[in-house]
Amino acid sequence: ILNVEQSPQSLHVQEGDSTNFTCSFPSSNFYALHWYRWETAKSPEALFVMTLNGDEKKKGRISATLNTKEGYSYLYIKGSQPEDSATYLCAFIDSWGKLQFGAGTQVVVTP
Amino acid sequence: GAVVSQHPSWVICKSGTSVKIECRSLDFQATTMFWYRQFPKQSLMLMATSNEGSKATYEQGVEKDKFLINHASLTLSTLTVTSAHPEDSSFYICSASDGAAYEQYFGPGTRLTVT
Repeated sequence: ILNVEQSPQSLHVQEGDSTNFTCSFPSSNFYALHWYRWETAKSPEALFVMTLNGDEKKKGRISATLNTKEGYSYLYIKGSQPEDSATYLCAFIDSWGKLQFGAGTQVVVTP
Repeated sequence: GAVVSQHPSWVICKSGTSVKIECRSLDFQATTMFWYRQFPKQSLMLMATSNEGSKATYEQGVEKDKFLINHASLTLSTLTVTSAHPEDSSFYICSASDGAAYEQYFGPGTRLTVT
């Protein structure tokens, strides 16, 4: 089992504030890291596919960075809105195609 | 695009009965489908990977005779939980891939409760 951890497990954010959280993964045999956004009662939705060390991806107010040498990725939400409330999952894929999800960070944005 | 449906969204069954869960890719051909299980506050755990027309590959610790997976077409895979027991109660979710760079599209999941 690959060790993929997300922290914190949950966080509460005031509307308008920015926040970030972490996905840590093995620093060896890296192939790709995916970020998903999962709203209650919906399907997980792909946010980013990150493959290169130093990658930075952005989608609206959400962005992510990747450090494969030290084995972590940050996801940032700028100016959080209630619609950003969801569980954010990362998934690590190694060079053999083995995929392992983290347990997710649940984000609750309060008006 | 890339919509995956899953049916049923929730099911309650009695211990000893079997339950079938369907996963369909609605607007693309899914060469590979994946079945996951999630326990409360834990990560999605991959149970098996199935390619259309061939036998599924099960992850270590997953009983293939208990969790029967069929991927008979490029748009449909089914997971049958045979002789279900209360410990099989869980959230089951499928995903489908058209083969592009490990990108997976998820269904909304099925909540199974075995009484």
